[in-house]
Amino acid sequence: AQSVTQPDIHITVSEGASLELRCNYSYGATPYLFWYVQSPGQGLQLLLKYFSGDTLVQGIKGFEAEFKRSQSSFNLRKPSVHWSDAAEYFCAVGSDSNYQLIWGAGTKLIIKP
Amino acid sequence: NAGVTQTPKFQVLKTGQSMTLQCAQDMNHNSMYWYRQDPGMGLRLIYYSASEGTTDKGEVPNGYNVSRLNKREFSLRLESAAPSQTSVYFCASSEVGWGLETQYFGPGTRLLVL
Repeated sequence: AQSVTQPDIHITVSEGASLELRCNYSYGATPYLFWYVQSPGQGLQLLLKYFSGDTLVQGIKGFEAEFKRSQSSFNLRKPSVHWSDAAEYFCAVGSDSNYQLIWGAGTKLIIKP
Repeated sequence: NAGVTQTPKFQVLKTGQSMTLQCAQDMNHNSMYWYRQDPGMGLRLIYYSASEGTTDKGEVPNGYNVSRLNKREFSLRLESAAPSQTSVYFCASSEVGWGLETQYFGPGTRLLVL
C-alpha cells in the first residue's frame, strides 16, 4: 500500500539548533517528493520538492532535504532554526501517473527560546 | 494577486443542515482540489477537478458533492452535515493535475457541525 510516515508527531528544538524532520514513504511508482509547511491558522506552502537528479535539494527559508532511495526516506533539515520556523510540516509523495498526493500526518515543530 | 481564496473562514452548522464552501483561484490553473484536515491524519483528498468540466472522487468523497463552476471556481457542498464532517477544509490548485505539480493552498475553512 502507498503510504507516507512521519514518525514524530511533535519535535521541540531550541532556537539556533539544527533540525531534522523524518519522512519515510512506501510507493510503487517513481516517487516525486514534497515538503510543505503550514504556519498556524494558514494554508500549506511548498518548501521544496524532489523529482530526479541531485538527491540533495534546496528549498525556501534555508531548508534542504535529502532523498535516500535505499532507505525510502526524504528527511528535511535546517542548520539553525528560527522562532518563525514554528509550524507544522508535511511530507507528501506523488507520481506522474496519478493526480493524488499521498500525505503524511505531519510533524509539529516547537521552538524553545 | 490573491492566489487561492476560500469563503467562509468559519462556519457552525447543526446536524442535517447544508452549506457550500466556495473556492476561487486567480492563477489560471487547470486543476483544483478539496481536502479535509483532521488532527493526526494529515490531508485527505475529498474531490478533485483535473480540468474545467471534470471532477473525480478522492479518498473520502462520501457526504460531499462538488461543482467546477468555471476555470476559476470549485465549490464543495455538504448536503446534510454530520458531526463527522467537523474539520478544516482546504482548497488547492495546480497548473496541471499530475502528482508532480506544486499545489497552492487557500487559508482554509473551519467547520464545526453540532
